[in-house]
Amino acid sequence: QVRLQESGPGLVKPSETLSLTCTVSGGSVSSGTYYWSWIRQPPGKGLEWIGYIYYNGSTNYNPSLKSRVTISVDTSKDQFSLRLSSVTAADTAVYFCARDLGGNYPFDYWGQGALVTVSS
Amino acid sequence: EIVMTQSPATLSVSPGERATLSCRASQSVSSNLAWYQQKPGQAPRLLIYGASTRATGIPARFSGSGSGTEFTLTISSLQSEDFAIYYCQQYNNWPPWTFGQGTKVEIK
Repeated sequence: QVRLQESGPGLVKPSETLSLTCTVSGGSVSSGTYYWSWIRQPPGKGLEWIGYIYYNGSTNYNPSLKSRVTISVDTSKDQFSLRLSSVTAADTAVYFCARDLGGNYPFDYWGQGALVTVSS
Repeated sequence: EIVMTQSPATLSVSPGERATLSCRASQSVSSNLAWYQQKPGQAPRLLIYGASTRATGIPARFSGSGSGTEFTLTISSLQSEDFAIYYCQQYNNWPPWTFGQGTKVEIK
């Protein structure tokens, strides 16, 4: 059974960089079968796809966040990471990592989510 | 970007009754439409993909229909564990993949 687990600081100051890591167990990020995404959900609101990474490092980002987002992968640790720069209170959200088969497929496994609050 | 609009925002249903949720896309997404269930404090769970195919382990009381721009999720007989928020998501035109704003199914 695949399991995804987010980790990282729960509090980030405005203008700083948010950093989260997703650790995959029961599967491998380097399998080449799946794409690995970050999705966020502000408190009480809907879901927003942030971006994905493939095992070879190729990425695709939501145009609305592209200028501030970097997603990277560490295949040796079965981890992928999110960095979101210049954060504001509007970036306060639960951040989920998830996987899909790429392109025209849904997200079939999700992590439990990590709440990140942006506040001074 | 494709905008997904769900209705109603809240649906009040009695246990055992039928629930019908709607999702509309701003342009055709073919059958590349998924439904997710989310309970408080949990991640979304995939229920339906390809507009009408149940994901592994999903009970038969959940069914999806539609194509193009109009989609429906039906829960034939609501159980206590079905009270949750339901999201639709299109994965036909990307980036970005986009979600609806959700329909909350609450106990009447």
